[in-house]
Amino acid sequence: GAGVSQSPSNKVTEKGKDVELRCDPISGHTALYWYRQSLGQGLEFLIYFQGNSAPDKSGLPSDRFSAERTGGSVSTLTIQRTQQEDSAVYLCASSPRNERNEQYFGPGTRLTVT
Amino acid sequence: AQSVAQPEDQVNVAEGNPLTVKCTYSVSGNPYLFWYVQYPNRGLQFLLKYITGDNLVKGSYGFEAEFNKSQTSFHLKKPSALVSDSALYFCAVSLYSGNTPLVFGKGTRLSVIA
Repeated sequence: GAGVSQSPSNKVTEKGKDVELRCDPISGHTALYWYRQSLGQGLEFLIYFQGNSAPDKSGLPSDRFSAERTGGSVSTLTIQRTQQEDSAVYLCASSPRNERNEQYFGPGTRLTVT
Repeated sequence: AQSVAQPEDQVNVAEGNPLTVKCTYSVSGNPYLFWYVQYPNRGLQFLLKYITGDNLVKGSYGFEAEFNKSQTSFHLKKPSALVSDSALYFCAVSLYSGNTPLVFGKGTRLSVIA
């Protein structure tokens, strides 16, 4: 079946502009995660959605970052007033509701802020 | 707080030789441990996990990992490396079973040389 998809695959933007990154999780998966992969920094958790519960925003690095998940499916990560340090690969993952916590990752969006 | 350390940025091994990629963790309770692999220009793929039970866990592509509670380690191993195993490997931990964000190490790049 279809895996997690993300769009765009690459995004180049000027400093100060807003960007939106999209994630389509695997159908039926209740949990959705956003992570950021920066060079030499590994993967950093940003935000987590579980069903209709309030999202866990504890990983968002600043109030310029926000995310929403509509209808329990598609999610959009928005970065306002982008800065050069926001340049990274943004990864989305989803998982079904079970005890195994096996997260299925999308290919990522590479964001470059110039 | 949970944390994961991957002490080697790079591991080089000759094809056919055994490989080990090291991981140590720090959690305040019982850990749930994971290994993921990232091939170039692709998302992370789940390799294996330790939840409970046998300390030796077998996963995809012939990989296995050994949970060592006294040394707080979860090293990834394979008896005979293939060139196609060359990739970036991430160790991750969570404090809970079920859907929860993962805390990742910084990754170890494995190069298998023919």
